[in-house]
Amino acid sequence: EPEVTQTPSHQVTQMGQEVILRCVPISNHLYFYWYRQILGQKVEFLVSFYNNEISEKSEIFDDQFSVERPDGSNFTLKIRSTKLEDSAMYFCASGAAPMNTEAFFGQGTRLTVV
Amino acid sequence: GQQVMQIPQYQHVQEGEDFTTYCNSSTTLSNIQWYKQRPGGHPVFLIQLVKSGEVKKQKRLTFQFGEAKKNSSLHITATQTTDVGTYFCLSSGNTGKLIFGQGTTLQVKP
Repeated sequence: EPEVTQTPSHQVTQMGQEVILRCVPISNHLYFYWYRQILGQKVEFLVSFYNNEISEKSEIFDDQFSVERPDGSNFTLKIRSTKLEDSAMYFCASGAAPMNTEAFFGQGTRLTVV
Repeated sequence: GQQVMQIPQYQHVQEGEDFTTYCNSSTTLSNIQWYKQRPGGHPVFLIQLVKSGEVKKQKRLTFQFGEAKKNSSLHITATQTTDVGTYFCLSSGNTGKLIFGQGTTLQVKP
């Protein structure tokens, strides 16, 4: 069964460092998403991406965040200068159609900023 | 901003008892989806509701979308230990932004 894969599964970084979280969406999907979940809290929408551009972003997704689809298969989330409060589980998701159909989530990357 | 309120936050039930979680919005929702997240896992899609008053069933799970498309519920009949997890609703609302409810964490005592 096709699945969304995310790497690494766990990333530890020092405050102020840049991190790149990687995702390989399901191959025929066109809509891509990043979410985050701070430990014990709800899943929060960060950004949606379609046709090589951001289609929606939340207030969380400020200038420190960027997304890219560099090579047609990977979908990355970059955090330029990490803060302690960026520590969370980051989920990538993809869908075949706009967000009115099923989204498939990856297993997540746990980011710990120390 | 637009919010979807989900209640209760936690629910502990005895195996065999029923369980219901509710999502409520102050604005009309274009659709609503339900996801389940097992402890330590990632959200997994359960179902989508689109039409006003829609009711869908999956075995012991019943999903409803309100007539005004401002609320939705997930009801589990005769819970089992495999139902343990956090249930989230997700909607795009009328702004296009994607909003998860806070989630209801279900614990089932065997």
